[in-house]
Amino acid sequence: GAVVSQHPSWVICKSGTSVKIECRSLDFQATTMFWYRQFPKQSLMLMATSNEGSKATYEQGVEKDKFLINHASLTLSTLTVTSAHPEDSSFYICSASLRRESEQYFGPGTRLTVT
Amino acid sequence: AQKVTQAQTEISVVEKEDVTLDCVYETRDTTYYLFWYKQPPSGELVFLIRRNSFDEQNEISGRYSWNFQKSTSSFNFTITASQVVDSAVYFCALITDSNYQLIWGAGTKLIIKP
Repeated sequence: GAVVSQHPSWVICKSGTSVKIECRSLDFQATTMFWYRQFPKQSLMLMATSNEGSKATYEQGVEKDKFLINHASLTLSTLTVTSAHPEDSSFYICSASLRRESEQYFGPGTRLTVT
Repeated sequence: AQKVTQAQTEISVVEKEDVTLDCVYETRDTTYYLFWYKQPPSGELVFLIRRNSFDEQNEISGRYSWNFQKSTSSFNFTITASQVVDSAVYFCALITDSNYQLIWGAGTKLIIKP
């Protein structure tokens, strides 16, 4: 299957700082990339959908000023958690797909801990 | 309403046993797509299968097989001769023509004991 990389795989930051997470589709051009958050023992919660060159579509309840998403190219999307707080600590996962109805290929996830 | 139900929260079997993970979905759309993903302890989600609503053929891939039945709105997943490496959380998911967003089941944690 297609490969999606995510960097960093884990990060610890202090409260109030910002963290950037990169998501890359390595062997295909992704029309759409998705950002999810997963809490322990739960399924994935979609945060936003991003299409290359356009603004991300955020899900209800997700603050777009706090979770900045940039989809600069067909192979790269970034999520920046601004002014992070301990409650932002979570497992963040990105995915990429060729078409809307296609399977999504997931990155390995980024575990964020805010102290 | 669109919904995916995985009623089995956790299943534990001994290695080499066969195990079936249930998935029941709800949608009024006639065109939809069903998926199974595996999430091992490492956390990375692995795509297993995609099936569209017009293809009710069952699928077999090695020890894995899927039974798609529109009459019961089910898309069950069977692992034959289970192995310890099959231990993971398995998610069933749905995309419909009216909402191109993965709708996830709650997941089934599968424990294979040696």
